Amino acid sequence: QITLKESGPTLVKPTQTLTVTCTFSGFSLSTHGVAVGWIRQPPGRALEWLALIYWDDDKRYSPSVKSRLTITRDTSKNQVVLTMTNMDPVDTATYYCAHSDLVRVAEGRSGGMDVWGQGTTVTVS
Amino acid sequence: EIVLTQSPGTLSLSPGERATLSCRASESVSSSYLAWYQQKPGQAPRLIMYGASSRATGIPDRFSGSGSGTDFTLTISRLEPEDFAVYYCQQYGSSLWTFGQGTKVEIK
Repeated sequence: QITLKESGPTLVKPTQTLTVTCTFSGFSLSTHGVAVGWIRQPPGRALEWLALIYWDDDKRYSPSVKSRLTITRDTSKNQVVLTMTNMDPVDTATYYCAHSDLVRVAEGRSGGMDVWGQGTTVTVS
Repeated sequence: EIVLTQSPGTLSLSPGERATLSCRASESVSSSYLAWYQQKPGQAPRLIMYGASSRATGIPDRFSGSGSGTDFTLTISRLEPEDFAVYYCQQYGSSLWTFGQGTKVEIK
């Protein structure tokens, strides 16, 4: 059973750096085709895809926040970490991590982000 | 990056009615790598449809998806009380994934 759980500060000050951690179980980020992504959702607003890290350590970032984001993994701890610099009140949101399996996607057996964490709420003030 | 535009923003329907949600992409979505998610208040999104037309595990057959290229549709044939929620489309066919802005299906 795949599970993911986000953790991090609930409150950060403007200009500070946010670090949120996704701790997962039920899969390995070293397995071919596996990816973990970060998505955020400001209060009352839409989902926004932020970043993705692949099994081979390849990384992708949303152009709108690319200059402020870094996504890393620690395969020994089964964790993915997202850092976002220069936080602003508009970055107040619930931050989710989610699993994807690109092998299953290519085989037509899955797609997108199939398992999500519960999210962690971050307020910038 | 591919921009996804969902319509309508809000759909007001009664239980038992049919819901038709649209998702239009700014460019063709590769391999129909288009997913739909359902989100209820206070909950994380849940994958309900992938590959434009394949239901995720445990999703009832009143949900169906169709489309290709730039135009995609999610249909709920007969709305059940638990189907009232916000629905998002997402494309994962390009190297940069994107979401639509969502359609809220509310009880009329």
